Amino acid sequence: ETGVTQTPRHLVMGMTNKKSLKCEQHLGHNAMYWYKQSAKKPLELMFVYNFKEQTENNSVPSRFSPECPNSSHLFLHLHTLQPEDSALYLCASSQRKAETGVPRQYFGPGTRLTVT
Amino acid sequence: GQSLEQPSEVTAVEGAIVQINCTYQTSGFYGLSWYQQHDGGAPTFLSYNALDGLEETGRFSSFLSRSDSYGYLLLQELQMKDSASYFCAVSDSGNTGKLIFGQGTTLQVKP
Repeated sequence: ETGVTQTPRHLVMGMTNKKSLKCEQHLGHNAMYWYKQSAKKPLELMFVYNFKEQTENNSVPSRFSPECPNSSHLFLHLHTLQPEDSALYLCASSQRKAETGVPRQYFGPGTRLTVT
Repeated sequence: GQSLEQPSEVTAVEGAIVQINCTYQTSGFYGLSWYQQHDGGAPTFLSYNALDGLEETGRFSSFLSRSDSYGYLLLQELQMKDSASYFCAVSDSGNTGKLIFGQGTTLQVKP
């Protein structure tokens, strides 16, 4: 248990569906991240939020829409996805500038997404 | 661009020592981290090096040479439960928690 929860854990959706992934952190962190992990590929950073403000969007298609209503919650809204979007979506949190100086990220268990 | 290179797979036997190397080319460098991910699980933090040298945490050690843009993770007294993927990750700034991850090394420990 890392203090970061994600729901749902598994999701199957059609290409015309709209769904949302939810992430919640109970660690008091002020930075949150969305990553995509496909088979045999590195963790791909999608979005970064610092103090609820989006500070990075790594050329992610607009069919992925993040939302960060407060520093504890992060959503990823999905619509008109493609089969190649099937992957494990991981949420993580950290202190933007850790007191220890160690930039440690805490990951949630991920949502396994399958687009049919 | 930003790139981190790791071997894709490593195999070793129980009780042995294995070293997983990581070389990096990034626009900025603040430190090198290592994460472990078991199949179906979340990545978990193992270690961090900001300065040159060796950091030891139990059976795991991590090394950094900033001048060579190189680091490694050393796993000693391997156990079956160490079978997992290991990722190196670079912090390119001291002001954010953002990490750039390598493609990961799958370690298989055999009896």
